[in-house]
Amino acid sequence: GEEVAQTPKHLVRGEGQKAKLYCAPIKGHSYVFWYQQVLKNEFKFLISFQNENVFDETGMPKERFSAKCLPNSPCSLEIQATKLEDSAVYFCASSQESTVSGYTFGSGTRLTVV
Amino acid sequence: GESVGLHLPTLSVQEGDNSIINCAYSNSASDYFIWYKQESGKGPQFIIDIRSNMDKRQGQRVTVLLNKTVKHLSLQIAATQPGDSAVYFCAASNNAGNMLTFGGGTRLMVKP
Repeated sequence: GEEVAQTPKHLVRGEGQKAKLYCAPIKGHSYVFWYQQVLKNEFKFLISFQNENVFDETGMPKERFSAKCLPNSPCSLEIQATKLEDSAVYFCASSQESTVSGYTFGSGTRLTVV
Repeated sequence: GESVGLHLPTLSVQEGDNSIINCAYSNSASDYFIWYKQESGKGPQFIIDIRSNMDKRQGQRVTVLLNKTVKHLSLQIAATQPGDSAVYFCAASNNAGNMLTFGGGTRLMVKP
């Protein structure tokens, strides 16, 4: 499709529960990027993929966060043992190129940890 | 490191007036800048971009100005319309160009 599809739109988890977010990039886009937006404010880069390979993971928290992009499946971002501070909107973007000029963002998944 | 920030958190303008949203960045090695518009419940939407070898770029009703000397860029919206109401973010790319550093947003409110 011509849009980046993120599911679910909203996700509520109790502290300590697992959260899994999905992103289907635009068809033909090889690169996927994940960002975290807290309190409608600044975006924090988490990780990027080139096809199923990690391209840049410098923003990923060392613990609890993991991500995958497998062939013929939506990409996923998983948070183990969620904490209150994980509450944020998680955006996925895809691009044909590795550079930021071609980014198209999805509408995000709002994760609320209670 | 890279940090990008905005001068004003909220900007209120009258419909039809011009709007100017400002942004400062810290990393002089940043060479690519983008302005995004984010409406409630949506992801950032590309508005306009500029590379560091330019100081001005115009689009439809929007102009981005880049001052590399003081590491400052601005977004000018001409004849602001109610549909322009949103949060605007500036972002800069790192040297590899594969990751964006965003500043805090500015909320633009257009009064009818």
